[in-house]
Amino acid sequence: KNEVEQSPQNLTAQEGEFITINCSYSVGISALHWLQQHPGGGIVSLFMLSSGKKKHGRLIATINIQEKHSSLHITASHPRDSAVYICAVRDAGKSTFGDGTTLTVKP
Amino acid sequence: GAGVSQSPSNKVTEKGKDVELRCDPISGHTALYWYRQRLGQGLEFLIYFQGNSAPDKSGLPSDRFSAERTGESVSTLTIQRTQQEDSAVYLCASSQQSGLSNEQFFGPGTRLTVL
Repeated sequence: KNEVEQSPQNLTAQEGEFITINCSYSVGISALHWLQQHPGGGIVSLFMLSSGKKKHGRLIATINIQEKHSSLHITASHPRDSAVYICAVRDAGKSTFGDGTTLTVKP
Repeated sequence: GAGVSQSPSNKVTEKGKDVELRCDPISGHTALYWYRQRLGQGLEFLIYFQGNSAPDKSGLPSDRFSAERTGESVSTLTIQRTQQEDSAVYLCASSQQSGLSNEQFFGPGTRLTVL
């Protein structure tokens, strides 16, 4: 069993739909990181959080430390949101990554 | 430049050769991270630097892999006696500190192909 599990592995949605990607982890962490990897390979940091909830534009990330679970939500999804979304848990400077969720948003 | 840069962008080498991959972090960023992503697979942590020291080298796959950082700036990842399983994209990231609230900025990666 991976230390960081993401679900679903693949997700296809219609433009405008509300998207939820889940991340569960089994190790002690200091913070959790959500990343976006574009089809060309470039990686962008979306959120780093250690408690509660953060919002940036149409993206919302939540974390429940007691349940060792985080969710990434995308409201009003758009084809440009199509990417791989990666959850990573951090312990000091070291990160352990989930396998990623491939999101495809169709117009 | 404004972002993290890596060179070369692509490297093709023969099995058994040594390679050096370079990372230039964002100016002023004291923390620097190396990751690897094999084709179709997830990201793997290799090593991180806080300043010029490496508190955690636990992700380096073997003693053929080493990394150094000088002047709290450029870092070099060296792979000796490359093997085909070393083929991957090697990504570098930097952050202001290694503290938990500090966002990491990723470079474009170096695609290494070992023939």
